[in-house]
Amino acid sequence: LAKTTQPISMDSYEGQEVNITCSHNNIATNDYITWYQQFPSQGPRFIIQGYKTKVTNEVASLFIPADRKSSTLSLPRVSLSDTAVYYCLPPSGGYQKVTFGIGTKLQVIP
Amino acid sequence: EAGVAQSPRYKIIEKRQSVAFWCNPISGHATLYWYQQILGQGPKLLIQFQNNGVVDDSQLPKDRFSAERLKGVDSTLKIQPAKLEDSAVYLCASSLTPDGINEKLFFGSGTQLSVL
Repeated sequence: LAKTTQPISMDSYEGQEVNITCSHNNIATNDYITWYQQFPSQGPRFIIQGYKTKVTNEVASLFIPADRKSSTLSLPRVSLSDTAVYYCLPPSGGYQKVTFGIGTKLQVIP
Repeated sequence: EAGVAQSPRYKIIEKRQSVAFWCNPISGHATLYWYQQILGQGPKLLIQFQNNGVVDDSQLPKDRFSAERLKGVDSTLKIQPAKLEDSAVYLCASSLTPDGINEKLFFGSGTQLSVL
């Protein structure tokens, strides 16, 4: 199984760019890297997914180096509403056994 | 697009009682997941269905937990008898394709269970 390591918590001021890095040394060749966001009292929500280089959508950017052993989720100009837990997931196994770690708790400060 | 529906939203029971949770996935989604999320932890996969067949239940405590997916659509998760350590949020998710590889999961809001 591809295990992931990410910081347990981060603080950021409103308006700043936030980068959360996840390491996944044993990622399989066919695995994509997926990030989810979870607000209190809600289920996780898909944010972004990528295989290599850079992916950008309306919410975030995802940077993946050539060796794919890590990935960085970038949130531009965070607001208080971005306070949440962010999970980095590579799937694993022959089918997607979607396993969540403890995630990174991002606290945005006014 | 309608999301994943779960009920009830909250449930309080005493230990040794039984409880059931219901999930209606997004229409057309082949794969359905049940997760348990204990406060302060990430979601833990309990069981995964492809259509109405089980593909993974390795972390399901089968002595007390059971789940079924009716006709490959709705699903129920049951706990009987409940223990104090079962207090958690039970999340249902679904994804589109049968194999679920690299798929995007859509989650419901969960059922918060308190066992007293």
